[in-house]
Amino acid sequence: DIQMTQSPSSLSASVGDRVTITCRASQSITSYLNWYQQKPGKAPNLLIYAAFNLQSGTPSRFSGSGSGTDFTLTITSLQPEDFATYYCQQNYIIPPTFGGGTKVEIK
Amino acid sequence: QVQVVESGGGVVRPGSSLRLSCAASGFTMSSYGMHWVRQAPGKGLEWVALIWYDGSQEYYADSVKGRFTISRDNFQNTLYLQMDSLKDEDTALYYCARDRGSGSYYRPEDWGQGTLVTVSS
Repeated sequence: DIQMTQSPSSLSASVGDRVTITCRASQSITSYLNWYQQKPGKAPNLLIYAAFNLQSGTPSRFSGSGSGTDFTLTITSLQPEDFATYYCQQNYIIPPTFGGGTKVEIK
Repeated sequence: QVQVVESGGGVVRPGSSLRLSCAASGFTMSSYGMHWVRQAPGKGLEWVALIWYDGSQEYYADSVKGRFTISRDNFQNTLYLQMDSLKDEDTALYYCARDRGSGSYYRPEDWGQGTLVTVSS
């Protein structure tokens, strides 16, 4: 199975900050990398697919980059509604696997 | 709009069985692959199983292989997860989710709110 490693596991940031979350795959997954946002008590919500494509409804302050094994999710100006846990997921090969999550908290 | 609603969760003893259901609406379920993904309390997401749009292919996580069975009834627009030989570590919120396509994208896109399964003696 492909292992997905996210860092950091948590971070504290202020409204307006630029936030970067990284995700590393244990082998190349080309661009088969997705990002989900999960708020407390809610289901995950797909934000970005295929490394950099914004899902419909995702604000433009979110962006994704990377290919191969190293990927990044960036929030350019953190908003109050962005405080949540973010997961990366590879869909290159079965089984699809998720990273351990990054919790973005209010500083 | 696309909606999936899970049901069937509950509290069960180790070794017992439970069947989860997921009712789909707002889309043609027979055209889409469907996933089950779970989340243990306070933990991250774990993919459990996937079934292709027509039921022709099924895939499972190693942790549930041989114990869980995914199935679907496209006439009833319902997805199922039969869970046998349940273990304490199966305790989780179980989400149903629609795949991006027929099942080959391996990308859950539209999620339900989940149904809670608690395995405890």
